[in-house]
Amino acid sequence: KQEVTQIPAALSVPEGENLVLNCSFTDSAIYNLQWFRQDPGKGLTSLLLIQSSQREQTSGRLNASLDKSSGRSTLYIAASQPGDSATYLCAVTIGGGGATNKLIFGTGTLLAVQP
Amino acid sequence: DAGITQSPRYKITETGRQVTLMCHQTWSHSYMFWYRQDLGHGLRLIYYSAAADITDKGEVPDGYVVSRSKTENFPLTLESATRSQTSVYFCASSRSSSGRNEQFFGPGTRLTVL
Repeated sequence: KQEVTQIPAALSVPEGENLVLNCSFTDSAIYNLQWFRQDPGKGLTSLLLIQSSQREQTSGRLNASLDKSSGRSTLYIAASQPGDSATYLCAVTIGGGGATNKLIFGTGTLLAVQP
Repeated sequence: DAGITQSPRYKITETGRQVTLMCHQTWSHSYMFWYRQDLGHGLRLIYYSAAADITDKGEVPDGYVVSRSKTENFPLTLESATRSQTSVYFCASSRSSSGRNEQFFGPGTRLTVL
């Protein structure tokens, strides 16, 4: 059974710091990995999607890497800002793109960026 | 408005009552999903649908019923609500089953069962 773990569960950093969020998964047979952001009381916003054949994806100050063989992904946030404060979730897609694309989520990392 | 919407956003009900949570998307996405989010468990898939009139169970389907008569709507019904169904429910949609396609999420419905 695929399990997704995110460490740390919570992180507090001063504004301007570069930071890394970690995600690990137990079964390397994934189709892709997605990083989401969730603000309090809100839905999920997709940040980056990395296909299983890719090593990384970048969007602005965000860079996500994927090492499928070791079951790890990292989300790098450069020059953090208070507006980056949110819960960050990673999720892997399982099923090989056949009948469905089921997401298995980690429990998230709560990030607080202090001004 | 374009996108994916859920209603109601907040709902309080009593044990044993039937509750229906609505989900509507304007993208004509084939796939739709229902998740629940609980502390300590993260998001878990309840049901999904590949197209109108095609639905299937996810990880935690017990106590829930879904239907999909139209592509754009995917209601979730709790036939007899229990306290353990107190949760935040998220609907999502995806263009196809291909792993290349992202899932887009609605704002969620916070359900409290007393």
